[in-house]
Amino acid sequence: DAGITQSPRHKVTETGTPVTLRCHQTENHRYMYWYRQDPGHGLRLIHYSYGVKDTDKGEVSDGYSVSRSKTEDFLLTLESATSSQTSVYFCAIRPGQGAYTIYFGEGSWLTVV
Amino acid sequence: DAKTTQPPSMDCAEGRAANLPCNHSTISGNEYVYWYRQIHSQGPQYIIHGLKNNETNEMASLIITEDRKSSTLILPHATLRDTAVYYCIVRGRAGNMLTFGGGTRLMVKP
Repeated sequence: DAGITQSPRHKVTETGTPVTLRCHQTENHRYMYWYRQDPGHGLRLIHYSYGVKDTDKGEVSDGYSVSRSKTEDFLLTLESATSSQTSVYFCAIRPGQGAYTIYFGEGSWLTVV
Repeated sequence: DAKTTQPPSMDCAEGRAANLPCNHSTISGNEYVYWYRQIHSQGPQYIIHGLKNNETNEMASLIITEDRKSSTLILPHATLRDTAVYYCIVRGRAGNMLTFGGGTRLMVKP
């Protein structure tokens, strides 16, 4: 158990509506990540954070924004959801320096109709 | 970034050792090799990682060749619950991310 809670776990929303996914951790880890997973594409990094208010873009950041106002929460926002953002979203944390072992949450299933 | 190449799928008999290969011929000297797996509908699960030496933990063993251009993940006694997609990953360019490829779909059969 990596101490990660993702919410909501399942959501159906309409095209054009805003959506926020929340990742909550209990261990005060500095690094947090948002990935998406789609058939045929594997896991792709959307955004990551290396501290409060410190974030950076990943491989597929277009259409997404993130915020980290406190250590334990990393929010992923779709300002105007599109059908191409239907996916499974995984949050991850990295406990320490040196080796880059990261641990994943259980995922949030998002369907945009 | 160092890229990895894995077979798309493999079968293994229950109770036998599963040997999953990975090629990472462009790996650089300070890059680690990581293995994760993903059981259907679950988040990826960390298995093991290594730099140069072989590593073993309660889940698996990792054998890295001397030139570090390839590695093998060994599940010593595969069970049906080991059926999953296994990802071999080399540390990403920026050092703050792990880039996942297509992985190997391991099917353990009774």
